[in-house]
Parts: sequence; structure tokens; C-alpha cells
Amino acid sequence: DTGVSQNPRHKITKRGQNVTFRCDPISEHNRLYWYRQTLGQGPEFLTYFQNEAQLEKSRLLSDRFSAERPKGSFSTLEIQRTEQGDSAMYLCASSFGRGNQPQHFGDGTRLSIL
Amino acid sequence: GQNIDQPTEMTATEGAIVQINCTYQTSGFNGLFWYQQHAGEAPTFLSYNVLDGLEEKGRFSSFLSRSKGYSYLLLKELQMKDSASYLCAVRPTDKLIFGTGTRLQVFP
Repeated sequence: DTGVSQNPRHKITKRGQNVTFRCDPISEHNRLYWYRQTLGQGPEFLTYFQNEAQLEKSRLLSDRFSAERPKGSFSTLEIQRTEQGDSAMYLCASSFGRGNQPQHFGDGTRLSIL
Repeated sequence: GQNIDQPTEMTATEGAIVQINCTYQTSGFNGLFWYQQHAGEAPTFLSYNVLDGLEEKGRFSSFLSRSKGYSYLLLKELQMKDSASYLCAVRPTDKLIFGTGTRLQVFP
């Protein structure tokens, strides 16, 4: 069990640029979740996949955000035309089976918008 | 609406016992999770409650009362390494709704 892996760990970019993050879940986990966390707050749900199907998206996820999990393994989260308010830690989590199994989190990608 | 409340900060002494409370109001309930998060690190799973009562796991225990919308996390024999944020999270559907977290500082 190598754990959930996220890349890059840090991303600094100028406002208006596009960014893409990658998440590799624990290998046998069929569910993959994206959350966003700002300082002093708990993680906020963004979206989740069961295998390759995107089953739910938060209203927080504007049309500038898109996530994919093309083969039901790794996932990418893209933010287009980044804004200052996008600065946050983006966390990926995965779980096996039904939702009552604990979600295991990666170390996150910290996004800073200049 | 979804609302999860927990104290912002708590302090305790090494070797003591501390109880971190969490109250919730959510549209649906399919379980409550507690996570520990050290600064700059990923949240790590501590406990899961779906039925009323106490779940014990080593030095950590978690309690749930669904009728009261209430849970607590009990940490015994506190150690310095227990200084961290403790996140209460409710699963109304398949996603988790997190509280803001309780920052616990353990002093020698």
C-alpha cells in the first residue's frame, strides 16, 4: 500500500494561467474524491468518481474547474483562468467499496496564485 | 443545510484526557468520521461511527448520539505528538462534510 500520491506538491502560478493536478489513488480503491482546504478550515468537497464515472460535483466547482478519471485509475483536476481565490490546498482521497469505508488522503497540492 | 460545529482550539497537558465535541445538522446521515491532521500534512483516519455508542481504538475513543446530532472524540494519556487539528466529518451521502477542525495543543 503506497498510499495516495499527488503531484505536484506545490504550484505557483500567475493569475489567469491554467493549472493541472494529478492524483494517483491507492491501487484497489474504486472511489476517488477531490477536496479543497484553506488555512484554518476543514476540507471542502469538490467532486468524486466511482471508477471512471463522475457521480457528484459541488456547487463550489465553477465551470473553470474540470476533473477527469479516464480509466478509473488516476485523476486530474484542471483549473482554467486561475483567480486569487483559487489559492488553497487541493486534497485527493480514495476509498474502497461503499461510502462507509474511510477515505485515505494524499498530502495535497498547494496552489499559490500570484 | 449542512452545519458542523466543533471548538476552534483546545489545550491540554501531557498525560491528561481531552474530549473534543462535535455537533452536526445535515440533510441525511450515513456515518461520522474523525480525522487527525498535523500542520502541512494530509488528514489521517482515526475513527468511524454509524450507530449510537462508543467505539474504542487504543488511546482514542469516539462516541455518537444520532438523536442529539452529537459526537465526541476522547483522547487518553495525551502525548506531545497528539498536538494536531482534529476534524469531525459527516457523510450525508457519499461525500464528507467537514467541520472547521479543533486545534489541540498539548503542553508538557
